[in-house]
Amino acid sequence: DQQVKQNSPSLSVQEGRISILNCDYTNSMFDYFLWYKKYPAEGPTFLISISSIKDKNEDGRFTVFLNKSAKHLSLHIVPSQPGDSAVYFCAGGGQKLVFGQGTRLTINP
Amino acid sequence: NAGVTQTPKFQVLKTGQSMTLQCAQDMNHNSMYWYRQDPGMGLRLIYYSASEGTTDKGEVPNGYNVSRLNKREFSLRLESAAPSQTSVYFCASTPDLAGGYYEQYFGPGTRLTVT
Repeated sequence: DQQVKQNSPSLSVQEGRISILNCDYTNSMFDYFLWYKKYPAEGPTFLISISSIKDKNEDGRFTVFLNKSAKHLSLHIVPSQPGDSAVYFCAGGGQKLVFGQGTRLTINP
Repeated sequence: NAGVTQTPKFQVLKTGQSMTLQCAQDMNHNSMYWYRQDPGMGLRLIYYSASEGTTDKGEVPNGYNVSRLNKREFSLRLESAAPSQTSVYFCASTPDLAGGYYEQYFGPGTRLTVT
């Protein structure tokens, strides 16, 4: 069973607009959620995280929202920039993480 | 600090050959992990080590063995490679201190092809 799902394989957004990436999870025991960004031929790099006791966390242009009742996580990027074009993975868990399949974000000039 | 390093970067094996993927971190982290990434599947945990001397299976451990040689190094061994093990392998580490969770830091990956 897929405990973490990213249902959109790809997303295209115009530069300067908001990018919203979504993630659903099934395991209510997850304590900690993260977003990673991955460029081709590189390892994933950490972007932002949120504890299960919070519903929002901001870091510059990046905001993560957590809706525990819906078991839904989203990442907002405002404003989107060309350098944000990458594959984004959400993950949930604690000491061990379960990753979603990834969403390829393309920012168009 | 080099962070998490992995060797080799690329490897081609024939079915039935064996090899060991090496991983090292210089951040004094307690926990280390091995993942594989396949198209459309995200990253799946193969094995992890919560501390020096301990290892545990992840989601897809079959066909692999691991060794936590010391706090810095965590190796992944394929005893008899199969085409289904063609993948990109990532090593990661995290401080994993008591009382909280921390992000995992990833290495650059090893691209393995088994023919």
